[in-house]
Amino acid sequence: DIQMTQSPSTLSASVGDRVTITCRASQSISSWLAWYQQKPGKAPKLLIYDASSLGSGVPSRFSGSGSGTEFTLTISSLQPDDFATYYCQQYNSYSRTFGQGTKVEIK
Amino acid sequence: EVQLVESGGGLVQPGGSLRLSCAASGFTFSSYWMSWVRQAPGKGLEWVANIKEDGSEKYYVDSVKGRFTISRDNAKISLYLQMNSLRAEDTAVYYCVRDRGSAFGWFDPWGQGTLVTVSS
Repeated sequence: DIQMTQSPSTLSASVGDRVTITCRASQSISSWLAWYQQKPGKAPKLLIYDASSLGSGVPSRFSGSGSGTEFTLTISSLQPDDFATYYCQQYNSYSRTFGQGTKVEIK
Repeated sequence: EVQLVESGGGLVQPGGSLRLSCAASGFTFSSYWMSWVRQAPGKGLEWVANIKEDGSEKYYVDSVKGRFTISRDNAKISLYLQMNSLRAEDTAVYYCVRDRGSAFGWFDPWGQGTLVTVSS
């Protein structure tokens, strides 16, 4: 299986900050990568697919980039609603796998 | 509005069985691959299984092969997960999700989840 590693595991930031989360794949996955946001007690919500395509209804302050083995999720100006845990997910193979998550906390 | 609503979770003893259901609405269910994804308490996400539009192809994560069976009834617009020989490590919230992009793409949307607890 392809292993996905996110960094950092926890990130402390303030409203208005630019935030970047990194996701690395154990082998090349082209651009077959998605990002999700999950709040406590809720289901994950799609943010980004195909590494850089914005999901329906997702605010433009979210953006994704990368290809091959290294990817980033950027929030251009952190809003109060953005404090949550973020997961990357690869879909290069039938056995889709997720990163361990990055929790974005209030500084 | 696309909606997925899971049911059937609960407390079950190790070695027991449980059947999860997912009722879909707001889209043409029979045109999409569907998956189950789970999340152990306080842990990350794990894809469990998926099924082709017509039910003719099914795929599973290694840890549930031979114990879990995914199925669907397009007439009833429903997805199912039959879980047998349950283990403590199967304890998780199970999400019903729609596959996007292809048979093996990203997941959108997600149901609200149903909690399965395996404990004596």
